[in-house]
Amino acid sequence: DAGVIQSPRHEVTEMGQEVTLRCKPISGHDYLFWYRQTMMRGLELLIYFNNNVPIDDSGMPEDRFSAKMPNASFSTLKIQPSEPRDSAVYFCASTLDGEKLFFGSGTQLSVL
Amino acid sequence: EDKVVQSPLSLVVHEGDTVTLNCSYEVTNFRSLLWYKQEKKAPTFLFMLTSSGIEKKSGRLSSILDKKELFSILNITATQTGDSAVYLCAAKYNFNKFYFGSGTKLNVKP
Repeated sequence: DAGVIQSPRHEVTEMGQEVTLRCKPISGHDYLFWYRQTMMRGLELLIYFNNNVPIDDSGMPEDRFSAKMPNASFSTLKIQPSEPRDSAVYFCASTLDGEKLFFGSGTQLSVL
Repeated sequence: EDKVVQSPLSLVVHEGDTVTLNCSYEVTNFRSLLWYKQEKKAPTFLFMLTSSGIEKKSGRLSSILDKKELFSILNITATQTGDSAVYLCAAKYNFNKFYFGSGTKLNVKP
C-alpha cells in the first residue's frame, strides 16, 4: 500500500492567494483527518471526515479555511485568502474504524 | 478544557542511556493513548494503549498506561542515535478525535 499521499510537498505563495492542499487516504480507510503543525501550537486537529462526511470542523480556524471530501479516495483543504500566519505543515491522516492514525508526509506551506 | 501534556520538552542523552518520556492527559470520553515518533516529517505509529497496567513492548521501546492517574510513559533502553526524534503522544477521545501533546524532542549523542 502506498500510504497516505499528500500534494504538493511544498507550497510557497503570496498573501491573498488561494491555496489548495490535496490528500489521498489509504484505500479502505473510512476516517480522514486534517492537522496543522506549528512550533508554537504543535499538531492541531482542523477537521475530520467519516465515510466522506465532515463530522467535526470545530478546529477550522476561520471561514478562510474549507475542506471537502468528494469521494473515499480524495480530500482537499483550501485556504482563501491565505495569510502569513497560515504558514505551517499541514498533515492529512487516515484510519480504519477510528483506530491508529496513518499520516501523510505533509505539505509545507509558506505564505509570504 | 481537553489537554495532553508531555514532559520533558526536550532531552539530551548519550548512546546507551535509558530515557523515560511522560504524557499526562485530561480529555472527555477517553478511549486510548497513542505514541508516535516524528523524525523528518510524518509521525509514525509506535504504540496504542487502551488498558491500564499492561505494558506494550517493541524491541528497546516499551510503554504503559495508568488510567487512574491519567498518564502514560514511554521508555527507551540502550538508546541509539537513530532514536533521535520528537516523540508525540495523543489521546483518542470523544469517539474518534485525537488530541496531540506538544512532543518531547530527544537528542541521542554518540
